[in-house]
Amino acid sequence: NAGVTQTPKFQVLKTGQSMTLQCAQDMNHNSMYWYRQDPGMGLRLIYYSASEGTTDKGEVPNGYNVSRLNKREFSLRLESAAPSQTSVYFCASFLVTEAFFGQGTRLTVV
Amino acid sequence: AQSVTQLDSQVPVFEEAPVELRCNYSSSVSVYLFWYVQYPNQGLQLLLKYLSGSTLVKSINGFEAEFNKSQTSFHLRKPSVHISDTAEYFCAVSGGYQKVTFGTGTKLQVIP
Repeated sequence: NAGVTQTPKFQVLKTGQSMTLQCAQDMNHNSMYWYRQDPGMGLRLIYYSASEGTTDKGEVPNGYNVSRLNKREFSLRLESAAPSQTSVYFCASFLVTEAFFGQGTRLTVV
Repeated sequence: AQSVTQLDSQVPVFEEAPVELRCNYSSSVSVYLFWYVQYPNQGLQLLLKYLSGSTLVKSINGFEAEFNKSQTSFHLRKPSVHISDTAEYFCAVSGGYQKVTFGTGTKLQVIP
């Protein structure tokens, strides 16, 4: 039982480069979320998808885009990376209000 | 709107001593409350949850939390901590379907 799988686990980008973080879940959940975690700030919601075909902005969406490719997959794209986007990114899928998290992607933008 | 406050960013405690991690919330509707644990270099895992019924909820590894509506609190306690409990703990509140707000986390450091 894989649960929520994120790739890659680590990434270093140069300022201005783009990349896509991948997330897939095998629990047949409708809802999927992207968070970023920064020291002392807890988890902040970037974007979420309540169901296949829908996406909505969260608390800190600027500089990011998302795609809900199908029920299993929800990707996060950085079009032009900035040092302020250095963070640990977590994908989660939800069963009602209970969250199931991936292992995270540690992104450094230099 | 809903919010969660975890006043203690770090809590050091000696092994086998009791610990309490504090969580206060605000919400305009009835709430569901959660504690998640994050071990180093891992994602968050659900530790325990309050949805309804008994206000005292327990985890399989000895933690417990009590929902106190009048004080809007959901503090996490353990009577005797172990080294393996060293982790960061996040309180979370949900006032409705899937809208979950996380606190800023409390790092529990268990000292041998």
